[in-house]
Amino acid sequence: EDKVVQSPLSLVVHEGDTVTLNCSYEVTNFRSLLWYKQEKKAPTFLFMLTSSGIEKKSGRLSSILDKKELFSILNITATQTGDSAVYLCAVNSGSARQLTFGSGTQLTVLP
Amino acid sequence: EPEVTQTPSHQVTQMGQEVILRCVPISNHLYFYWYRQILGQKVEFLVSFYNNEISEKSEIFDDQFSVERPDGSNFTLKIRSTKLEDSAMYFCASRFSGRATETQYFGPGTRLLVL
Repeated sequence: EDKVVQSPLSLVVHEGDTVTLNCSYEVTNFRSLLWYKQEKKAPTFLFMLTSSGIEKKSGRLSSILDKKELFSILNITATQTGDSAVYLCAVNSGSARQLTFGSGTQLTVLP
Repeated sequence: EPEVTQTPSHQVTQMGQEVILRCVPISNHLYFYWYRQILGQKVEFLVSFYNNEISEKSEIFDDQFSVERPDGSNFTLKIRSTKLEDSAMYFCASRFSGRATETQYFGPGTRLLVL
């Protein structure tokens, strides 16, 4: 059974801090790993990673994948209160490209 | 920017009733998915749909569930006889075709409450 594990489950920081969120996976037919941000409702897409060692970057967010060690990290620098959300890691592994999600990391950024 | 839309945003129903959740995927997308998220739990895959047929389904997607693309734009999830444990947020997602475009885009969800 495909498995995605995220850590920590929750994190409380102050504005301006840098955070690192972790995602490890065990899947039978890896295709890609995706990060989503979930605030109130729908997960909104952040990054898709398919190759090891290539950092994806968008503003203060960046992510990298290690396919040998089967993990990914999501970094957020200079955090803001608007970064408060659940960050979901999902692996695309099925024949129909369905996603297997982790439990998410609840990030709270205090002013 | 194109987005996936879902209706209704909330649905309250009595146990045993049928419900239909509706989704309009992004217009040039060819692959469609339903996921659900029970309160406090992970997002779980239910079913994928391509070329007018189910391409993959999970163990959750039993005979009580069905999907349909009744016209060129809508994608529906029907629960025939709802149970208390069907209470969850249901997300529709879609993606384009092609190896380089595996990103799935999610709709805002329908919160289903079965009483």
